[in-house]
Amino acid sequence: SQQGEEDPQALSIQEGENATMNCSYKTSINNLQWYRQNSGRGLVHLILIRSNEREKHSGRLRVTLDTSKKSSSLLITASRAADTASYFCATDKEGAQKLVFGQGTRLTINP
Amino acid sequence: EAGVVQSPRYKIIEKKQPVAFWCNPISGHNTLYWYRQNLGQGPELLIRYENEEAVDDSQLPKDRFSAERLKGVDSTLKIQPAELGDSAVYLCASSLMGYEQYFGPGTRLTVT
Repeated sequence: SQQGEEDPQALSIQEGENATMNCSYKTSINNLQWYRQNSGRGLVHLILIRSNEREKHSGRLRVTLDTSKKSSSLLITASRAADTASYFCATDKEGAQKLVFGQGTRLTINP
Repeated sequence: EAGVVQSPRYKIIEKKQPVAFWCNPISGHNTLYWYRQNLGQGPELLIRYENEEAVDDSQLPKDRFSAERLKGVDSTLKIQPAELGDSAVYLCASSLMGYEQYFGPGTRLTVT
């Protein structure tokens, strides 16, 4: 069973615009991670945010975490065609060291 | 640094046939994972190894799936016999200390 639910399931924007994806989960977590998957390839780790952190940045990526609402968001600023991919959130339950992935958001960047 | 290596990349078999997937993790990574990813879904964990020990195989269908990690390095995942519903991408990942996971390119299995 999958804990995380991403919203929207699909997102299409113009190059240069910002893209925001959301993730909700059900149980307490140790950390939450975001991964990217290009078509036909394995997943690539983007960013990890711990349960005691509220916001984290990495280049054009900004992740927020609200543990009271059990939700996270991933913001990609100044999108590029190369950002076209599926984005997954994955939660690591407290003490479990076991990632549970959501269904992903398919992001398409139009030139 | 070499990434996680998986083979084969693609496999087509008839139902009831056996199939095996191989994974070589990143050197030094003690934790190895096997995931199954169905089309349009996120990966689901099948089994997790800490060195040679399978510490979480609760989601591995043990009637037909088996896995091993000899000497705590390479790993093999086997399905025998395969069913139509086993068609999916099988991903291997490794990590150090269980945080960020590094994924291989996966094996796309088609059962006909």
